[in-house]
Amino acid sequence: KAGVTQTPRYLIKTRGQQVTLSCSPISGHRSVSWYQQTPGQGLQFLFEYFSETQRNKGNFPGRFSGRQFSNSRSEMNVSTLELGDSALYLCASSAITGTGAEQFFGPGTRLTVL
Amino acid sequence: AQKITQTQPGMFVQEKEAVTLDCTYDTSDPSYGLFWYKQPSSGEMIFLIYQGSYDQQNATEGRYSLNFQKARKSANLVISASQLGDSAMYFCAMREPLGGNKLVFGAGTILRVKS
Repeated sequence: KAGVTQTPRYLIKTRGQQVTLSCSPISGHRSVSWYQQTPGQGLQFLFEYFSETQRNKGNFPGRFSGRQFSNSRSEMNVSTLELGDSALYLCASSAITGTGAEQFFGPGTRLTVL
Repeated sequence: AQKITQTQPGMFVQEKEAVTLDCTYDTSDPSYGLFWYKQPSSGEMIFLIYQGSYDQQNATEGRYSLNFQKARKSANLVISASQLGDSAMYFCAMREPLGGNKLVFGAGTILRVKS
């Protein structure tokens, strides 16, 4: 069974640009969550999608958005990039939501904003 | 708001010895879940162990066990028989009640296993 995949693995952008990151969950999983990891703020929850609906949202500005498709693949978009958006972006998939179900993380996308 | 505290920024342990990584949490909700993840230098988060707030027994998964002390709000991870491959960052996390799969993470503990 294939694990969670994230593309691209590395990305370099400049301030003001926008970026789209992709996450393909484990087959059969309907929940995808996104996290931002930085040395200063640690791991912070961005949002969760379950069956194409945003289930929960973290405390991030509106420049951060996401969506989920009918095949459960999810994308997150960051518009008008700032230097502080440089981070490792992790997605996690789970079969269900709201329980102790194990969440499987992908390898992450490392975004550098210049 | 829920909060996770990991007070040990870094730990060293001798190969084949046991090590305990500390985690305390703060929540007013009676229903919650606690997780431990391992993050090697490659960046991927690896699930280790889960403990539900209503679970009567401490969780165990192979060499990993969770010392759950509900009254003290602590959920320490015990790794037995440490291996060189255990060197990594370890995160404690809490799933918020009614928060779907949202996890709140602690700052992490870097573990280094010495040969």
